[in-house]
Amino acid sequence: AQTVTQSQPEMSVQEAETVTLSCTYDTSENNYYLFWYKQPPSRQMILVIRQEAYKQQNATENRFSVNFQKAAKSFSLKISDSQLGDTAMYFCASALQGGSEKLVFGKGTKLTVNP
Amino acid sequence: EPEVTQTPSHQVTQMGQEVILRCVPISNHLYFYWYRQILGQKVEFLVSFYNNEISEKSEIFDDQFSVERPDGSNFTLKIRSTKLEDSAMYFCAILGDSLFLAGGSTDTQYFGPGTRLTVL
Repeated sequence: AQTVTQSQPEMSVQEAETVTLSCTYDTSENNYYLFWYKQPPSRQMILVIRQEAYKQQNATENRFSVNFQKAAKSFSLKISDSQLGDTAMYFCASALQGGSEKLVFGKGTKLTVNP
Repeated sequence: EPEVTQTPSHQVTQMGQEVILRCVPISNHLYFYWYRQILGQKVEFLVSFYNNEISEKSEIFDDQFSVERPDGSNFTLKIRSTKLEDSAMYFCAILGDSLFLAGGSTDTQYFGPGTRLTVL
């Protein structure tokens, strides 16, 4: 069975600074995908970034990047130049195979960006 | 990124009543999913639907729940007899499909804005 663990219930960061959100996962499969979703107060789930497990290169999307450590089963999200609009819940999730399988989510990290 | 709408945005119902939640993707997709999020908790998988059939369901998805695509576009989740513990946000998701105009990554699920269900 897949599990996803986010050990930081809450974090805060000053505007323009960098913050890293942690995520670990467990799976016995070799082919899987990892995701970070953002949930602002509107409660919509918004994709932030995705990583294919077979790719060694860490994914990057503008100010968002991941540190994917496959052997350690770790998938952290780094937000650079934090903005007030980054304030949200952040969920780490995994899906087996081609991503068409169900998403398994962590409990989330509430990030607050302070002015 | 593929667009998905959900109706209603908020539904209030009495315990024991039936509710139907609707998901409308802007373009055709093959994979559909329902998830729910009880307030303050993590997002949980309910069911996946592929090629007009359920492909996987969780233990939460018991006989009170059903899904269908009644007209080939809408994707619905029906709860036959709601319980207090069904109060949650319900999210529809679709798998991106680069074959269609909406595009998106074929290995990524895109979520609708959710329906907030309140059972009194």
